[in-house]
Amino acid sequence: DGGITQSPKYLFRKEGQNVTLSCEQNLNHDAMYWYRQDPGQGLRLIYYSQIVNDFQKGDIAEGYSVSREKKESFPLTVTSAQKNPTAFYLCASSISFGGAETQYFGPGTRLLVL
Amino acid sequence: GNSVTQMEGPVTLSEEAFLTINCTYTATGYPSLFWYVQYPGEGLQLLLKATKADDKGSNKGFEATYRKETTSFHLEKGSVQVSDSAVYFCALTRQAGTALIFGKGTTLSVSS
Repeated sequence: DGGITQSPKYLFRKEGQNVTLSCEQNLNHDAMYWYRQDPGQGLRLIYYSQIVNDFQKGDIAEGYSVSREKKESFPLTVTSAQKNPTAFYLCASSISFGGAETQYFGPGTRLLVL
Repeated sequence: GNSVTQMEGPVTLSEEAFLTINCTYTATGYPSLFWYVQYPGEGLQLLLKATKADDKGSNKGFEATYRKETTSFHLEKGSVQVSDSAVYFCALTRQAGTALIFGKGTTLSVSS
């Protein structure tokens, strides 16, 4: 079955710690995205990648970093500079970037601060 | 700037009631419009979309028509079921080659 997997389902971060959220897709999609979801806020774009070895900042990139070394993988690191990291993080992919392309979402990772 | 505004929830309905969730947008050019649905504890999935004015998207009994004159893309369903309980997001693309902009979501709760 093709799809997007995210791990872990729940992640706990200690003060000053960097944590990495995994996102893998086997849909052969060029574009991948990371969103943050907060209650009542909708989804906000953190980073996106149009193609392997390329990525751009979204609307709320501060305190986050990404890499795109493989087409299938787009991990997100939440750094200690992100002062309010508690949220639900969603990864998505699409055949190509933007336009009318459907985005396919993973099941999400919930990040909590200890 | 470009934006999406959805009616605030929660929307609470009885089974078989008629559903409307309002969505209006502000955008330059001719955006594509989407409705995504998020069931409890899951990621989002596309419900329907429309790519040009007067297009009607439909899926699973849900419909929405792209109205450029009123800049709206309201979601409707004639008879809701308990299984339709979810959060519904209206979204648009700013223009070709850019990412989606989402509304804040509307929570629908259907009781039997």
